[in-house]
Amino acid sequence: TQLLEQSPQFLSIQEGENLTVYCNSSSVFSSLQWYRQEPGEGPVLLVTVVTGGEVKKLKRLTFQFGDARKDSSLHITAAQPGDTGLYLCALQRGYGQNFVFGPGTRLSVLP
Amino acid sequence: DTGVSQNPRHKITKRGQNVTFRCDPISEHNRLYWYRQTLGQGPEFLTYFQNEAQLEKSRLLSDRFSAERPKGSFSTLEIQRTEQGDSAMYLCASSLAIILQGSDTQYFGPGTRLTVL
Repeated sequence: TQLLEQSPQFLSIQEGENLTVYCNSSSVFSSLQWYRQEPGEGPVLLVTVVTGGEVKKLKRLTFQFGDARKDSSLHITAAQPGDTGLYLCALQRGYGQNFVFGPGTRLSVLP
Repeated sequence: DTGVSQNPRHKITKRGQNVTFRCDPISEHNRLYWYRQTLGQGPEFLTYFQNEAQLEKSRLLSDRFSAERPKGSFSTLEIQRTEQGDSAMYLCASSLAIILQGSDTQYFGPGTRLTVL
């Protein structure tokens, strides 16, 4: 059973378009992290969210943590080819526990 | 460069051979994690250390896998009698876990890509 689901699995858009990707869990978790990973490299942390309803912005990226702390979304405004990559969410169920990753959303932004 | 480093970056081996990977975490990070990632999937947790103590090991991890962090700094992951199904990217991450912080932030290395022929 997949603890974390991410949708869509694949997304291909044109430069300048907006997009939203989602991360959903059947369980409540204490914190959630979003990463971007490029081929042949390790994931790079984008943001950590810990409070239900929290919204964080990182330039053109907006991250939202659901009120019930079971879901999260990542919205990218005016996507650029440099945004291309695998977007992963990871949850930590409690302090001191391991992290569980979702399967990722593979984004391709075409020039 | 003070990030997480992993060696080797690539390893090709024949089935049945033993392999060992090394991870050097960010200095003073007390936690070190190992993950395995196959094509098209997210990283899968294998094990993690707090200082030199191995606190958790995935039930998916067979007894052919062993990890150590002898002095609470670098770590090694050994796979004995490799199988073709072991082919994957092996990722290491480190973090500084602070109790009052409630969560810790992982920083990943570039990974070691293992190919078992």
